[in-house]
Amino acid sequence: AQSVAQPEDQVNVAEGNPLTVKCTYSVSGNPYLFWYVQYPNRGLQFLLKYITGDNLVKGSYGFEAEFNKSQTSFHLKKPSALVSDSALYFCAVRDIYNFNKFYFGSGTKLNVKP
Amino acid sequence: DTGVSQDPRHKITKRGQNVTFRCDPISEHNRLYWYRQTLGQGPEFLTYFQNEAQLEKSRLLSDRFSAERPKGSFSTLEIQRTEQGDSAMYLCASTTVGDTQYFGPGTRLTVL
Repeated sequence: AQSVAQPEDQVNVAEGNPLTVKCTYSVSGNPYLFWYVQYPNRGLQFLLKYITGDNLVKGSYGFEAEFNKSQTSFHLKKPSALVSDSALYFCAVRDIYNFNKFYFGSGTKLNVKP
Repeated sequence: DTGVSQDPRHKITKRGQNVTFRCDPISEHNRLYWYRQTLGQGPEFLTYFQNEAQLEKSRLLSDRFSAERPKGSFSTLEIQRTEQGDSAMYLCASTTVGDTQYFGPGTRLTVL
């Protein structure tokens, strides 16, 4: 079965410090991976995706993610966190056998303290 | 605002009642998804439309659930004989030939 896992329910970081939100995947081929962010009472917003090519993917709002095939990971990173980055972050993978289906992780709540 | 709208934003109903939610995708998007999200979980796939055709249905979608997308534009999701376990956020997303989904704000259903 294809899936993603987000091992941390919550990540706390001080404003200005680098942040990392972890995601690992389980896919029996080349994965299509995504990160989305969800603010309270809002739908999910696309941040970035990895399809192929460079392992470091740059996305919206200064976020980037590193694809690591050997560790089956796709961690989300930002060099300097902002209080406004506080939100719920979801990692997702596209089904490689059925491109119409996507599987989301359980989410990681990011708290950035001033 | 992603351009995808959902109505209503909140719905409170009593167990056993029927409810219907509407999603208006981005106009040029031919693909539309419905997801269910419960507290502390990520979105779970429910169903998928390409234009007006419903091409995928999750086994999560019991026979009490039905979705339509007439004319390939807006979509509706109906839940009949609601149960307390149906309480969740119902999310709609649309996309075109790419794989980036644009999500609506969701409809939060509370079944009393």
